[in-house]
Amino acid sequence: NAGVTQTPKFRILKIGQSMTLQCTQDMNHNYMYWYRQDPGMGLKLIYYSVGAGITDKGEVPNGYNVSRSTTEDFPLRLELAAPSQTSVYFCASTPNRDEQYFGPGTRLTVT
Amino acid sequence: GESVGLHLPTLSVQEGDNSIINCAYSNSASDYFIWYKQESGKGPQFIIDIRSNMDKRQGQRVTVLLNKTVKHLSLQIAATQPGDSAVYFCAEGPDYNQGGKLIFGQGTELSVKP
Repeated sequence: NAGVTQTPKFRILKIGQSMTLQCTQDMNHNYMYWYRQDPGMGLKLIYYSVGAGITDKGEVPNGYNVSRSTTEDFPLRLELAAPSQTSVYFCASTPNRDEQYFGPGTRLTVT
Repeated sequence: GESVGLHLPTLSVQEGDNSIINCAYSNSASDYFIWYKQESGKGPQFIIDIRSNMDKRQGQRVTVLLNKTVKHLSLQIAATQPGDSAVYFCAEGPDYNQGGKLIFGQGTELSVKP
C-alpha cells in the first residue's frame, strides 16, 4: 500500500489564484480529513468526510472547498488564494475514527 | 473551550537518557488519546495511543501515561536516540460530532544531544 499520497509537495500561488490539492489513499478508509499546520502550531481541521459523497466543515473551512466522489480521493480546493492560507496542508485517513494516517503534506505559499 | 496544550515547547536531552513529554487536555469527555511524532518536512506518524479506560500503555521504548483526575497525558521515551529528535504532538478525541476529529496540541520539539 502507498498509504496516503498528496500532490503537489510544494506550490507558490499569487494572491487571487486558485488551485486544488490532491489527496489519495489506497487503504479503503471511509474517513478522510484535511488539516492545515501553521509554523510552530498544531493541526487545525479544515474539512472532513465520513464516506464518498459526504463532506462537512471542520474548524477553519473559510476559503476552502472539498469533494468526495470516490472513497480514494479527497481533493481540497482553494479559491481566491490569500496570504493567510500560507501553510502546510496535511491529508489524513482512518478506517475507524481512531488512529489517523497522514500524508507527507503540501507546503503552500501565497504571495 | 476545548484545548490540548503542552507544558514545554522544547525539550533537550542527552542521548541515552529518558525523555518525558507532557500534555494537558481540557475535555473530560475525551476517551481516546494519541501521540504523534513529526520529523522535519514530513507528516505526523503514529507512536502510541491509549483509551480512557487505561492509565498506562507500553510500546517499544515508549510508554504513555494517562491521569484522568488531573487531565494529564505524558509520553516517556526510554534511552532516547538521535533519531527521536522531532516534534511530538498529543491529540485527544475523537469528536464523533465532527467525523472523529482529533484535537491537536501545539507540539513539543525534542532535541537529542549526542
